[in-house]
Amino acid sequence: DGGITQSPKYLFRKEGQNVTLSCEQNLNHDAMYWYRQDPGQGLRLIYYSQIVNDFQKGDIAEGYSVSREKKESFPLTVTSAQKNPTAFYLCASSIGQPGYGYTFGSGTRLTIV
Amino acid sequence: RKEVEQDPGPFNVPEGATVAFNCTYSNSASQSFFWYRQDCRKEPKLLMSVYSSGNEDGRFTAQLNRASQYISLLIRDSKLSDSATYLCVVNTGFQKLVFGTGTRLLVSP
Repeated sequence: DGGITQSPKYLFRKEGQNVTLSCEQNLNHDAMYWYRQDPGQGLRLIYYSQIVNDFQKGDIAEGYSVSREKKESFPLTVTSAQKNPTAFYLCASSIGQPGYGYTFGSGTRLTIV
Repeated sequence: RKEVEQDPGPFNVPEGATVAFNCTYSNSASQSFFWYRQDCRKEPKLLMSVYSSGNEDGRFTAQLNRASQYISLLIRDSKLSDSATYLCVVNTGFQKLVFGTGTRLLVSP
């Protein structure tokens, strides 16, 4: 079945360490997105990519980095520069322009200890 | 002003009730609209797209009012399983969707 896979589901890291969240899709979608969700808040866009080897900053890109070397993969690195990284991270994809909506992965819950 | 605004709720309704949520958006050039459902600690899932003529899917009806820039979702005959957060989502035409903060619905027996 086609879909988006995020791994791991839960991630614990010490403060000051970089951590990479995986996002893989087999939907043949061109566009991919990373969102962050904090308790009681809406989704906030971190980065997005419309095509391979190209990506743009979203509303809260500081302290994060991404790469898009393959159409299927869009990993997110949370760096030590991110002040408050504990959150629920969601990866999504869409066919092209998001006029048909997104498909989401099941998310990664990151906790900094 | 936020791009997409929703009443956070919670809306507490008994089983069988009809409940309606509204959402307003600020960008008049917005092109497409959606309702997503998000269960606690899960990813959002597409509930339905919202078309200018209005559309219905079983117990769910979505309406769009472009003149007033609002979208509505009506749920008839509420079920316990409808308890969730409902996200209003707008495609503003800048290659990405904008999400409202969600309206929480609690359906009780």
